[in-house]
Amino acid sequence: AQRVTQPEKLLSVFKGAPVELKCNYSYSGSPELFWYVQYSRQRLQLLLRHISRESIKGFTADLNKGETSFHLKKPFAQEEDSAMYYCALSGRYGGATNKLIFGTGTLLAVQP
Amino acid sequence: EAGVAQSPRYKIIEKRQSVAFWCNPISGHATLYWYQQILGQGPKLLIQFQNNGVVDDSQLPKDRFSAERLKGVDSTLKIQPAKLEDSAVYLCASSDYLRGSPYEQYFGPGTRLTVT
Repeated sequence: AQRVTQPEKLLSVFKGAPVELKCNYSYSGSPELFWYVQYSRQRLQLLLRHISRESIKGFTADLNKGETSFHLKKPFAQEEDSAMYYCALSGRYGGATNKLIFGTGTLLAVQP
Repeated sequence: EAGVAQSPRYKIIEKRQSVAFWCNPISGHATLYWYQQILGQGPKLLIQFQNNGVVDDSQLPKDRFSAERLKGVDSTLKIQPAKLEDSAVYLCASSDYLRGSPYEQYFGPGTRLTVT
């Protein structure tokens, strides 16, 4: 079954510390992986996608098919990074396209 | 461009009552999604429309939930009758499959439903 696992409900770090938000997935096929973010009192929005291989707001994520992981990393956390982060998986399911399966989310709290 | 609009933002009803949510996607977006997000969980897709046709409704509890997207623009999601376990945030999202990335979904602010 297709599944996204985010093992940490809460990750608390100090400003300037490195951050790694873990995401593991199960999917039979070639998945598309994404990180979505929800800042306080804002809408859920796309942060980055693995096919773009881009760095957004200092965050990067590499798809590791061997370990079926897509961890989100940032070398130096900032207080404005505090938010809820969701890992999501997309693929083709029974003919439907673009269906996103979300993990349960990790709340990142960056302490001053 | 204006974002995805949803109304109402909050709704409190008693169990066995009915409720309806409305969504207006970003102009020109052909694909519209309704998600249910229960507290402590990630969003779960309920139904996906491509224009006014249903692409995926495999996780929609069809005995009580219904959705429509007349004219391929606005959409409504209805629950009748509501149960306590329907308490959740209902998110609407849209994407532009033809012109933009089909994978970037734009989310609305959500409707928080409380069933008492």
